[in-house]
Amino acid sequence: AQSVTQLGSHVSVSEGALVLLRCNYSSSVPPYLFWYVQYPNQGLQLLLKYTSAATLVKGINGFEAEFKKSETSFHLTKPSAHMSDAAEYFCAVSRKSGGSNYKLTFGKGTLLTVNP
Amino acid sequence: EAQVTQNPRYLITVTGKKLTVTCSQNMNHEYMSWYRQDPGLGLRQIYYSMNVEVTDKGDVPEGYKVSRKEKRNFPLILESPSPNQTSLYFCASSAPGVIGYTFGSGTRLTVV
Repeated sequence: AQSVTQLGSHVSVSEGALVLLRCNYSSSVPPYLFWYVQYPNQGLQLLLKYTSAATLVKGINGFEAEFKKSETSFHLTKPSAHMSDAAEYFCAVSRKSGGSNYKLTFGKGTLLTVNP
Repeated sequence: EAQVTQNPRYLITVTGKKLTVTCSQNMNHEYMSWYRQDPGLGLRQIYYSMNVEVTDKGDVPEGYKVSRKEKRNFPLILESPSPNQTSLYFCASSAPGVIGYTFGSGTRLTVV
């Protein structure tokens, strides 16, 4: 079974400050890991994904995440927050088994607020 | 443009009135899936399909049905909707060798 825990349902930062959104996963097999962003009243947009190539993954809009197997973590960071980053962020895990990835398991989400 | 299309985007209905939410993808993807999103619970998988005529339950299948008669379409059927099915629904598709899903824009369903 696989699961995802996002620490902190709500994170508030000042504009220009570091963004750190935490994600820990549980998986019995090597996982694929994802971060999605959902802007208000919109669908899900893929920010970045880990597929076992490089442990530091760079995504869109200046975000990056580092896969740490020893800590079973995949935290999302951005050096300097912008007002437009305000959104809900979801971490997700998918199994890696024979190339099959037919189920994404999501965390409960972290709402990011950026203060001027 | 490669996309997953859901219809309708918004739907308000009454308890017990059967409804169907359609989902279509133009990428020739084998895998398709339905999720529901509820505040504080994230997204939970309702049903998925590995290919035509192959479907299986996800984590929260109760009260839902699906069918996969064609590769491109994966409708979600609520035979007798209840207020606890008020939610935001997402359809998604993927394919072998493609890591991750492409999501539709969502359908916001309200059952009164």
